[in-house]
Amino acid sequence: QSALTQPASVSGSPGQSITISCTGTSSDVGSYNLVSWYQQHPGKAPKFMIYGVSERPSGVSNRFSGSKSGNTASLTISGLQADDEADYYCSSYAGSRIRWVFGGGTKLTVL
Amino acid sequence: EVQLVESGGGLVKPGGSLRLSCAASGFTFSDYSLNWVRHAPGKGLEWVSSISGSTSYIFYADSVKGRFTISRDNAKNSLSLQMNSLRAEDTAVYYCARDSGVSWSFDYWGQGTLVTVSS
Repeated sequence: QSALTQPASVSGSPGQSITISCTGTSSDVGSYNLVSWYQQHPGKAPKFMIYGVSERPSGVSNRFSGSKSGNTASLTISGLQADDEADYYCSSYAGSRIRWVFGGGTKLTVL
Repeated sequence: EVQLVESGGGLVKPGGSLRLSCAASGFTFSDYSLNWVRHAPGKGLEWVSSISGSTSYIFYADSVKGRFTISRDNAKNSLSLQMNSLRAEDTAVYYCARDSGVSWSFDYWGQGTLVTVSS
């Protein structure tokens, strides 16, 4: 069981928007604005998509956005494209001893 | 272009040892902390260990503390993970990941190397 809880799967049609949730606790997501998101296509290395809850690294499309409320962070992808079909993982800083925790991953299917 | 390439994975019996390596290129290696993150079958990602650029700071997840040792050779742009007393639950794809230096995140990852612990 992963430290952060994500839905196993979400789906959407091209052009639509979807949101993936990432629920933690007051010891991780709820305490720090240090949530990041990663995209992973099958057989590929994870790709850095969001950091600091809502910041996008250079080169990441503005169709990807992040937010947080309480112990739950969210990744929203707008204007879905076929290439967005991938697994998505959230991560949060969890203090000096545990350091990082991850979610179990969400498989996004573009219908 | 930043590249991280892992190697050294394979099949090992419980109680055995394995040494993973990560060859880095495309950035000033000693400027960045590096990490090992693993992905066990059917489970989420799990942070394993991290080492600062100067090797002054080293951290381990509780699940591997005392069994795994992280190290780096800044002259060779290489990161290593020595894994001893391996258990079935250590079976996973192991990724090398660079610390972005911003907001406790990982900006580059390798493609991973598979470690299977089985008799």
